[in-house]
Amino acid sequence: DTAVSQTPKYLVTQMGNDKSIKCEQNLGHDTMYWYKQDSKKFLKIMFSYNNKELIINETVPNRFSPKSPDKAHLNLHINSLELGDSAVYFCASSHPGDTHEQYFGPGTRLTVT
Amino acid sequence: SQQGEEDPQALSIQEGENATMNCSYKTSINNLQWYRQNSGRGLVHLILIRSNEREKHSGRLRVTLDTSKKSSSLLITASRAADTASYFCATAFSGNTPLVFGKGTRLSVIA
Repeated sequence: DTAVSQTPKYLVTQMGNDKSIKCEQNLGHDTMYWYKQDSKKFLKIMFSYNNKELIINETVPNRFSPKSPDKAHLNLHINSLELGDSAVYFCASSHPGDTHEQYFGPGTRLTVT
Repeated sequence: SQQGEEDPQALSIQEGENATMNCSYKTSINNLQWYRQNSGRGLVHLILIRSNEREKHSGRLRVTLDTSKKSSSLLITASRAADTASYFCATAFSGNTPLVFGKGTRLSVIA
């Protein structure tokens, strides 16, 4: 009964390819996020969705496109992968409100060669 | 831009000792949270302290918040080898803005 799950856990691909990462949460949360963690462990918000609508889109190349088919899913599609996209990508979810505690998925380690 | 800065970047202690990590931030916040990340895993929420609170306890964890200095500390008492992980502070401006994470403190507890 994993709360926030991501697939795949590892993704190795070549430059120029297009790939997707899937995220699902069974917590009934309204808000979902994508974060990128670089090699120095710095965690940065990429996108935030509330009830399937995009509410935050940080400075992220438009090669990255999130898609939320329903409240429980937020997928991340990446076009034309570049070496610099190599990182660990985390999905998270939370209830909206002033507490804002977030629940993280296990991460997807993306390696672009 | 990055909001939180943890200090120290790395900390190595013996089992049974206390570990203290500090976090500084730049702007007004609604609350501050601490998360733990074990190697190769996602982040796990540890504790949240609101801007109108000064201290909070949860088990072996003690968090303080000084809004005048824009700083927080996380104390882990009687550390165990299983506490070995990276610890991140994260600040929230309001309920509808994403968390902004610091760079983390890597804690190693040696048995």
